[in-house]
Amino acid sequence: ETGVTQSPTHLIKTRGQQVTLRCSSQSGHNTVSWYQQALGQGPQFIFQYYREEENGRGNFPPRFSGLQFPNYSSELNVNALELDDSALYLCASSIIVNLVAGELFFGEGSRLTVL
Amino acid sequence: SQQGEEDPQALSIQEGENATMNCSYKTSINNLQWYRQNSGRGLVHLILIRSNEREKHSGRLRVTLDTSKKSSSLLITASRAADTASYFCATVAAAGNKLTFGGGTRVLVKP
Repeated sequence: ETGVTQSPTHLIKTRGQQVTLRCSSQSGHNTVSWYQQALGQGPQFIFQYYREEENGRGNFPPRFSGLQFPNYSSELNVNALELDDSALYLCASSIIVNLVAGELFFGEGSRLTVL
Repeated sequence: SQQGEEDPQALSIQEGENATMNCSYKTSINNLQWYRQNSGRGLVHLILIRSNEREKHSGRLRVTLDTSKKSSSLLITASRAADTASYFCATVAAAGNKLTFGGGTRVLVKP
């Protein structure tokens, strides 16, 4: 148990729709990161939030956006869904010390299928 | 693009044997971490090794780091069927705030 929970666990959307994925971080963690993992691939960094501000972004278009709330819960929003957005979306919380990332605590992921 | 690349991509061994997988990366790092993922589930942190460390142990796991070769290895000794999973290395760049994952090694331990 990592103390990180994600919802929903599975969902199916159609192309062009919008989706919101939610994450509840481990208590006391100041950072949440989101990753996209396609089948058979390693996780790809989407973005990171540190104390409610975006603190780094991977190579993802602006239709991928996020929020981090004061209680360290977080959302990932994806607009105008495309077929290639089908993947496992992973949330991970951590504590950044001296601006350096340490161990990540992952949730079980939200599996998105876009038809 | 991915910073770390694992080798081999897949590994099949008998229970009781050792499993070794390697990770190569391209840029200077602050630390390197190994994670395990059971089929389609979340990743679990196994071990973190800092750039000034050369070897770390945790139970049946042994990790080495060679910064001159920009490579790391993960050794699982006396493997068990329950070790069947995908294993990923992830690097944190010097003064970096994010982890960059490789493509993973899929390990099958046959009973």
